Amino acid sequence: DGGITQSPKYLFRKEGQNVTLSCEQNLNHDAMYWYRQDPGQGLRLIYYSQIVNDFQKGDIAEGYSVSREKKESFPLTVTSAQKNPTAFYLCASRVPGARNTGELFFGEGSRLTVL
Amino acid sequence: AQSVTQLDSQVPVFEEAPVELRCNYSSSVSVYLFWYVQYPNQGLQLLLKYLSGSTLVKSINGFEAEFNKSQTSFHLRKPSVHISDTAEYFCAVRGSDTGRRALTFGSGTRLQVQP
Repeated sequence: DGGITQSPKYLFRKEGQNVTLSCEQNLNHDAMYWYRQDPGQGLRLIYYSQIVNDFQKGDIAEGYSVSREKKESFPLTVTSAQKNPTAFYLCASRVPGARNTGELFFGEGSRLTVL
Repeated sequence: AQSVTQLDSQVPVFEEAPVELRCNYSSSVSVYLFWYVQYPNQGLQLLLKYLSGSTLVKSINGFEAEFNKSQTSFHLRKPSVHISDTAEYFCAVRGSDTGRRALTFGSGTRLQVQP
C-alpha cells in the first residue's frame, strides 16, 4: 500500500545534538512538507518542497534544515540551533491534482524529546 | 497571510449528543477549506473538504461542514457523536490568491465524548 513512512516514531536526544527525521513516500507525489505540532498551537509549517532539488522556508524554519535529493525522500534535520525542539513532527505530501487546493496526505509523525 | 481561528480548544460532550466545532478563517478572494482529524500519536486524516460548489459538505462517518462566505466560517457538525469520535480536529485553509502553496492550520479542537 502507498503511504508516507516517518522514522523513528520516537526519538530522544541530548541538548546540543543534531538529529535527522526521515520521511519517505511511495505515492509518487511531487510536493512534500514538514510541519511541527505543539499542544494548543496547531501545526506550523517548517519547510516545503515543490520539486526535487528545490525547497522553501515556512514560518518557523530557523534551526531546521532539509534536503530533497530524491522525489520520494524529504529528511528534516533538527539542529542544535533550534531553541525548543521537543515537539511532534509531521511529514506530508500534496495529493495529485491539488496544486491549487493544497490538499495534504500525512505520515504518522515522529515525536522528538530533548533531554 | 491566511489565518484560521478555532475558538474552542476543548469540547466535552456526552455520547449521542450533537456537537459543533467552530472554525473561522481570514478573508480571501476564494478559499479551499479542510477539516482533518487526529487520533492520539497519529498523523492527520482528511475528514472533509470544501473546494467549490455546494456549501454543505459531508463525510462518510456522519460529520458535515458548511462553508459560509459572508461569515468566513466553516463549522463542523455532527448530530449524534460516538465515543470513537474522541480526537483532535483541525481546520485548515488555503487561499487561492496567495503564492504560498501550503495549508494554514488552526490550533485544533479536542473533542472529548463521554459515556
